[in-house]
Amino acid sequence: EAGVAQSPRYKIIEKRQSVAFWCNPISGHATLYWYQQILGQGPKLLIQFQNNGVVDDSQLPKDRFSAERLKGVDSTLKIQPAKLEDSAVYLCASSLRGGEGDGTEAFFGQGTRLTVV
Amino acid sequence: QKEVEQDPGPLSVPEGAIVSLNCTYSNSAFQYFMWYRQYSRKGPELLMYTYSSGNKEDGRFTAQVDKSSKYISLFIRDSQPSDSATYLCAMSASGGSNYKLTFGKGTLLTVNP
Repeated sequence: EAGVAQSPRYKIIEKRQSVAFWCNPISGHATLYWYQQILGQGPKLLIQFQNNGVVDDSQLPKDRFSAERLKGVDSTLKIQPAKLEDSAVYLCASSLRGGEGDGTEAFFGQGTRLTVV
Repeated sequence: QKEVEQDPGPLSVPEGAIVSLNCTYSNSAFQYFMWYRQYSRKGPELLMYTYSSGNKEDGRFTAQVDKSSKYISLFIRDSQPSDSATYLCAMSASGGSNYKLTFGKGTLLTVNP
């Protein structure tokens, strides 16, 4: 079974530039998550999709971050304009469904390491 | 107070040692408790999953949850160099369609041969 695919693996941009990350979840997984992991910290949920609808985006800085999941499959996360404090690893994860005993395991991609200089 | 606090800080142990990793939490609504392992430059992978209180064992790994104390632990027996990684505790309160994981900051474990 193919895992969660993310690209690019690494990105270096200057502050105030824009950047986009792409995620392809495991086939058939209804729930997709974007997490931000700052060095030395645990992942923090930015946004959760159930199919192509947003379930939780309470911690997404909406003035600069946006995300979409077209047709309930692939997703993109965009930052515009980037700030120095956005330097982090952006992890995409997917799960079969959300919130029940079975199928709640979230499978993570390898992440995109963003450096803002 | 953070919702999830993870102790201890970086750990370095000899091969074969017993390792104890711990998290405390403040949200009494948490019902699902997980331990993830994250190798360097990789995404987290689920190691152990427990619902509500109790113990769960899987090979060399044992997860314990004490909801009355809001305290969870992961024990690793006969630790191996391949166990060297960052271990993250994670918790969730919700059922239904909202499954939001709250993570601890992680503990970096190094097992020395």
